[in-house]
Amino acid sequence: GEDVEQSLFLSVREGDSSVINCTYTDSSSTYLYWYKQEPGAGLQLLTYIFSNMDMKQDQRLTVLLNKKDKHLSLRIADTQTGDSAIYFCAESPSGYSTLTFGKGTMLLVSP
Amino acid sequence: DGGITQSPKYLFRKEGQNVTLSCEQNLNHDAMYWYRQDPGQGLRLIYYSQIVNDFQKGDIAEGYSVSREKKESFPLTVTSAQKNPTAFYLCGSAGNTIYFGEGSWLTVV
Repeated sequence: GEDVEQSLFLSVREGDSSVINCTYTDSSSTYLYWYKQEPGAGLQLLTYIFSNMDMKQDQRLTVLLNKKDKHLSLRIADTQTGDSAIYFCAESPSGYSTLTFGKGTMLLVSP
Repeated sequence: DGGITQSPKYLFRKEGQNVTLSCEQNLNHDAMYWYRQDPGQGLRLIYYSQIVNDFQKGDIAEGYSVSREKKESFPLTVTSAQKNPTAFYLCGSAGNTIYFGEGSWLTVV
């Protein structure tokens, strides 16, 4: 079945860039998402990218997609302490189909 | 305010008791979802519904039930058959992308 893999933990200093990586196995993945979860809260949709795109930029966030390697990354520029959270990668064959999630990457930003 | 509202935020269940988690959305989305989150296991799909009066089982549907009588509402019942219900439950809805509510914590006492 489908699988989404992420590294579990990333620690950076405030002001540095953070890069969170994700790999997926489903070739039919059309939508690839990044969600942010702060402690005790729900999931906040950060950004998403279609499989026919290589890159998407939205303010401090840059998503890169390597479809050949089934590799997705989220770069956060000028990382702030408020960016500390768990980041989930997810994939879906369509915009309203069910999502398959990775287990999440905990990002810790130190001052 | 537009969005997805889950209630209650915190719920305690006694052994052998059924409990119902509410999920309401005013985004006019056709599709709605329930996911369960356990530490270190990410999110797993319980049930989903792509249209009113229709729903499908997800990966871990055993011990849960749902209904979709209205477009806006997709309540989840955690039955006594669910042996390990303590978890964080997330409801989502989708137009062309999936958004989530703030979640409900369920604890067995």
